[in-house]
Amino acid sequence: DADVTQTPRNRITKTGKRIMLECSQTKGHDRMYWYRQDPGLGLRLIYYSFDVKDINKGEISDGYSVSRQAQAKFSLSLESAIPNQTALYFCATSEGTSTYNEQFFGPGTRLTVL
Amino acid sequence: SQQGEEDPQALSIQEGENATMNCSYKTSINNLQWYRQNSGRGLVHLILIRSNEREKHSGRLRVTLDTSKKSSSLLITASRAADTASYFCANTGNQFYFGTGTSLTVIP
Repeated sequence: DADVTQTPRNRITKTGKRIMLECSQTKGHDRMYWYRQDPGLGLRLIYYSFDVKDINKGEISDGYSVSRQAQAKFSLSLESAIPNQTALYFCATSEGTSTYNEQFFGPGTRLTVL
Repeated sequence: SQQGEEDPQALSIQEGENATMNCSYKTSINNLQWYRQNSGRGLVHLILIRSNEREKHSGRLRVTLDTSKKSSSLLITASRAADTASYFCANTGNQFYFGTGTSLTVIP
């Protein structure tokens, strides 16, 4: 979905390196999310943000941090990457406060930590 | 974990057949959404079923929800090769708890 973009799309890095994954959206949504996807495990929530001043931990936040620089931008950082953080990472957005609202996903970032 | 379990993990059918996949949670279900993911790409929303609904249709999709059993099913009728993808349920509240996914292959 071109309305939610992620950079980089692919990244190979080494253990111990700091990595930042970026997400931008043009949908005007307040809510943004970071997920990781591992084979057989589906998507698991890392962090989410309901507006610029709101950051919340998800199910698997250890080893990650986030920054909500603006309504449209939400970055995910791995301060010191480790091999088990190798995964496919997705950013998503949703509108408003209703639990009925769907999420819109970016194309994903494939991260490999050697 | 509040993650959902989906079965089967993988399903292979012939074009024109129906595909059924199931999703269950250990926790109560708020509202349930289904998403589709083409290989390695972002998820795309398919359908929402609210906690007070039991069945919902959208085109060739039929979704059921049984809140007492904490489970849902997605039926795709008259499948097409283009339906080949992974399908995920999501229990939605402030957070979304996705299922583990069903990989569907439709053979032309």
